Amino acid sequence: GNSVTQMEGPVTLSEEAFLTINCTYTATGYPSLFWYVQYPGEGLQLLLKATKADDKGSNKGFEATYRKETTSFHLEKGSVQVSDSAVYFCALSDRGYGGSQGNLIFGKGTKLSVKP
Amino acid sequence: NAGVTQTPKFQVLKTGQSMTLQCAQDMNHEYMSWYRQDPGMGLRLIHYSVGAGITDQGEVPNGYNVSRSTTEDFPLRLLSAAPSQTSVYFCASSLGQGRTYEQYFGPGTRLTVT
Repeated sequence: GNSVTQMEGPVTLSEEAFLTINCTYTATGYPSLFWYVQYPGEGLQLLLKATKADDKGSNKGFEATYRKETTSFHLEKGSVQVSDSAVYFCALSDRGYGGSQGNLIFGKGTKLSVKP
Repeated sequence: NAGVTQTPKFQVLKTGQSMTLQCAQDMNHEYMSWYRQDPGMGLRLIHYSVGAGITDQGEVPNGYNVSRSTTEDFPLRLLSAAPSQTSVYFCASSLGQGRTYEQYFGPGTRLTVT
């Protein structure tokens, strides 16, 4: 079945460091890929998405490229800030059949802590 | 525009009690869903609905019941609470049913079953 695997955390970085959070997926067909972020005590919010191969999603300095050949969607940011401390979830939305289309399948999440 | 709202924010139940977690959205979204979040497990889909009067099961539906009588509301009922249902519950909605639509999440309900 469809699944998402993302790197285990927690990840601790100093401010202005480079961030990579790895995400790979298994899916039939052509899923859409997402990164959601969860700040402490809050619900999830969409960070970026890509809907087809070679698409690059970007937002708030974060980027991820949909790589079909490696089934990956790694999240990157060139210079992290303390305010980026959060839990990051990679997710896919499968094509499915009938009613299941659009359901999200999440990775386990990666907690990022950025120190000043 | 409140987005997706959930009540209560926190709840403690005893084993065997029942309760309803409320979820409402004011964005006229057709698709709504419930997830549970457990440490090290990510979010798992409990039930979802593609419109009023239509619901279906997700990955972990056992012990939960849903109904969708209006577009705005999608309550989640725990029929007989068990300690294994201790979790954080998130409701989400999106404009349509399809793989490109962004889902909007509520702030969550933290449930403890003793």
